[in-house]
Amino acid sequence: GAVVSQHPSWVICKSGTSVKIECRSLDFQATTMFWYRQFPKQSLMLMATSNEGSKATYEQGVEKDKFLINHASLTLSTLTVTSAHPEDSSFYICSAVRPSGTEAFFGQGTRLTVV
Amino acid sequence: GIQVEQSPPDLILQEGANSTLRCNFSDSVNNLQWFHQNPWGQLINLFYIPSGTKQNGRLSATTVATERYSLLYISSSQTTDSGVYFCAVGSGGGADGLTFGKGTHLIIQP
Repeated sequence: GAVVSQHPSWVICKSGTSVKIECRSLDFQATTMFWYRQFPKQSLMLMATSNEGSKATYEQGVEKDKFLINHASLTLSTLTVTSAHPEDSSFYICSAVRPSGTEAFFGQGTRLTVV
Repeated sequence: GIQVEQSPPDLILQEGANSTLRCNFSDSVNNLQWFHQNPWGQLINLFYIPSGTKQNGRLSATTVATERYSLLYISSSQTTDSGVYFCAVGSGGGADGLTFGKGTHLIIQP
């Protein structure tokens, strides 16, 4: 299967600061990547679709000014949680699909704790 | 959007038992995947199975697309099979994200 790498695996930050999470496709180029959020003991919810070279598209209810997405290259998408608050504490996980493929491959996830 | 329902929500079995997990979805899909989420949160791809039947060791899966359901079979369960199993579907090819079910929390007791 394809390899998608996410960094960092976990991060603790102070309320009001910003945190950047990276998602890389290691063995293929991904024009589209996806970001999900998972609260404890809940399912994964799609937050946004990251498109290389264009603006991300956000799901309803996701604040685009709080969750900044940049997909500057075919192998890297970043999610920046701006002015983080304790309610942003969650597990964030990215996925990518091979060109002309349909199967999604996921990164390891990032556990964010805002104190 | 597509609705995904998984059953049962929780399942406790003894080691060596067999289990069947079900995933119902509300509309036509061109992607259906089964995942196992390990204790560290990582999603392990089990099957990509928008239709048909596949087997991988003790695990197998069947999707009946016309009836909008998929089944994941685990035979001779081991304690390492414990965890949450998610079914996720998509209808837009690789350009759309996945809709996840709420998962089945499986506990295999020694």
